[in-house]
Amino acid sequence: ELKVEQNPLFLSMQEGKNYTIYCNYSTTSDRLYWYRQDPGKSLESLFVLLSNGAVKQEGRLMASLDTKARLSTLHITAAVHDLSATYFCAVVAGGTSYGKLTFGQGTILTVHP
Amino acid sequence: ETGVTQTPRHLVMGMTNKKSLKCEQHLGHNAMYWYKQSAKKPLELMFVYNFKEQTENNSVPSRFSPECPNSSHLFLHLHTLQPEDSALYLCASSHTGTGGSPLHFGNGTRLTVT
Repeated sequence: ELKVEQNPLFLSMQEGKNYTIYCNYSTTSDRLYWYRQDPGKSLESLFVLLSNGAVKQEGRLMASLDTKARLSTLHITAAVHDLSATYFCAVVAGGTSYGKLTFGQGTILTVHP
Repeated sequence: ETGVTQTPRHLVMGMTNKKSLKCEQHLGHNAMYWYKQSAKKPLELMFVYNFKEQTENNSVPSRFSPECPNSSHLFLHLHTLQPEDSALYLCASSHTGTGGSPLHFGNGTRLTVT
């Protein structure tokens, strides 16, 4: 059974600081996704990582994937208040061709002055 | 505008009621999904439809009955629910295949079972 674990589950950051959210998964996967969810809102796709060593960046967020370690990271650079949200990683088990995602518990990020 | 529209946004129902959740996608996708988001639990996949055919039922109780009349519409029929079924129900859609297309989620229906 595929398990996905994120840490930390709660992250309180000061504006301007850097931090990393970790996502570990238990079995072989060929696709990893990062999503953002604002309170009362839907999930928004941030990144799709498809291969070992994949790195993607958008603004202050950068995601990477190490399939050998079964680990993805979401790095936040110089945090701003607008980044406050819940971040989820989700993994597709190897060999599955579409959206059967297994989600992590989510990391609630709060950025304060 | 997310491209995936869910109605209603909020629903309160008694345990003996029958209600339906509706989802519509305008993205030209051919796969649609129901996910359940409960407090303090990860999102759980409930059902997957690919080209209107159900391809996944993740051990969901029969009081939840999905229907997919075409690739753009998805319903979740609810009857004799339990209070523990209270949750946010999210519909999503995507392309199929191995290209890694992300799921596009609707805003969800917040269900409260009394």
